[in-house]
Amino acid sequence: ETGVTQSPTHLIKTRGQQVTLRCSSQSGHNTVSWYQQALGQGPQFIFQYYREEENGRGNFPPRFSGLQFPNYSSELNVNALELDDSALYLCASSFGTGAMGYGYTFGSGTRLTVV
Amino acid sequence: KNEVEQSPQNLTAQEGEFITINCSYSVGISALHWLQQHPGGGIVSLFMLSSGKKKHGRLIATINIQEKHSSLHITASHPRDSAVYICAVSKPNTGNQFYFGTGTSLTVIP
Repeated sequence: ETGVTQSPTHLIKTRGQQVTLRCSSQSGHNTVSWYQQALGQGPQFIFQYYREEENGRGNFPPRFSGLQFPNYSSELNVNALELDDSALYLCASSFGTGAMGYGYTFGSGTRLTVV
Repeated sequence: KNEVEQSPQNLTAQEGEFITINCSYSVGISALHWLQQHPGGGIVSLFMLSSGKKKHGRLIATINIQEKHSSLHITASHPRDSAVYICAVSKPNTGNQFYFGTGTSLTVIP
């Protein structure tokens, strides 16, 4: 079975631009969560998608938005990029949203640099 | 104040040493997770705990629910153990919306 794949691996954008990051969930998983990890910090929860619906959101502004597709892959979109958006963006997939986060798998992340 | 605190932030050890990384949390949890993050970003799940103790190879994780504290131990440390170790908790009814500590950067010197 394949793991979680994120693309692109690295990306450089200019302040004010928009960016789309992609995540292919592990086979059999129907839930995707996105996290932002600033340098030297632990990841921060952005939002979670379950069966194509947003299922919880962290403390991020509306310019962070997402989608989940029928094949359970997901996109993270960030509009009006700011320098502080520079970070590693991680996605994790799992089966269901149960309290034990059963079978979650992390991708290797997309490193976004905003200049 | 973070809901999840780890210590130490950085740790250097000689190969073969016994290592302990600590995690304290201030909220009610459904589970606590220990994760390993290698340079380049990939995260690997090591343990998921809701009580007691788990062991996998040279790694041991314990949790004390009453004290809201967990420890990750590495016995007979090896340079390949060098990584960032992250403690994360999932809160009740929030599925796998993890809340992370800032991580402990471990370097094991040959």
